[in-house]
Amino acid sequence: NAGVTQTPKFQVLKTGQSMTLQCAQDMNHNSMYWYRQDPGMGLRLIYYSASEGTTDKGEVPNGYNVSRLNKREFSLRLESAAPSQTSVYFCASSATERSYEQYFGPGTRLTVT
Amino acid sequence: DAKTTQPPSMDCAEGRAANLPCNHSTISGNEYVYWYRQIHSQGPQYIIHGLKNNETNEMASLIITEDRKSSTLILPHATLRDTAVYYCIVRPFYTGTASKLTFGTGTRLQVTL
Repeated sequence: NAGVTQTPKFQVLKTGQSMTLQCAQDMNHNSMYWYRQDPGMGLRLIYYSASEGTTDKGEVPNGYNVSRLNKREFSLRLESAAPSQTSVYFCASSATERSYEQYFGPGTRLTVT
Repeated sequence: DAKTTQPPSMDCAEGRAANLPCNHSTISGNEYVYWYRQIHSQGPQYIIHGLKNNETNEMASLIITEDRKSSTLILPHATLRDTAVYYCIVRPFYTGTASKLTFGTGTRLQVTL
């Protein structure tokens, strides 16, 4: 099992550009999450998907959109990147939305200049 | 949510047991203790969780005091690969919204030869 995979690993964007971060899990988990981690800020939840076909906002959703493409895949889109979105982005999954036993991908390191 | 207190850093010799303490004196009866770790530049990794009984899995053991106000994560035979920041997190059993993880500052464990 690959667990949770994320692409790309690194990305540099100019302000105003758009991009989509991809995430896939092969653990047959129902719930998936997108977090960002900034130095000194810990993890912050951007969006989550409790189950296929549903998505909900987390703490810091502004500037992002998500798509739960199917049970395996959950993508995060930045429509118009801003320097404040420079961060490390982690995708995670769990068996159900009730579970704090979450499995994380390796992260995408995004720099917006 | 209960607040947790962990020492900022600890050292451990390779092959010895690493005992990482966590204080959660305001924990409620419906709150679980979770442990995660984050190896440098990688995604967080779930280790173990418990409510009131001691727990053991292939990675670690979790000892929770009888009054549940503190716990200890034990890595029985630490290796260099266990060098990471370890996070103790207290979370209630499902609140009806996303099972959002929030990490504090954790304990930076350095395993040395």
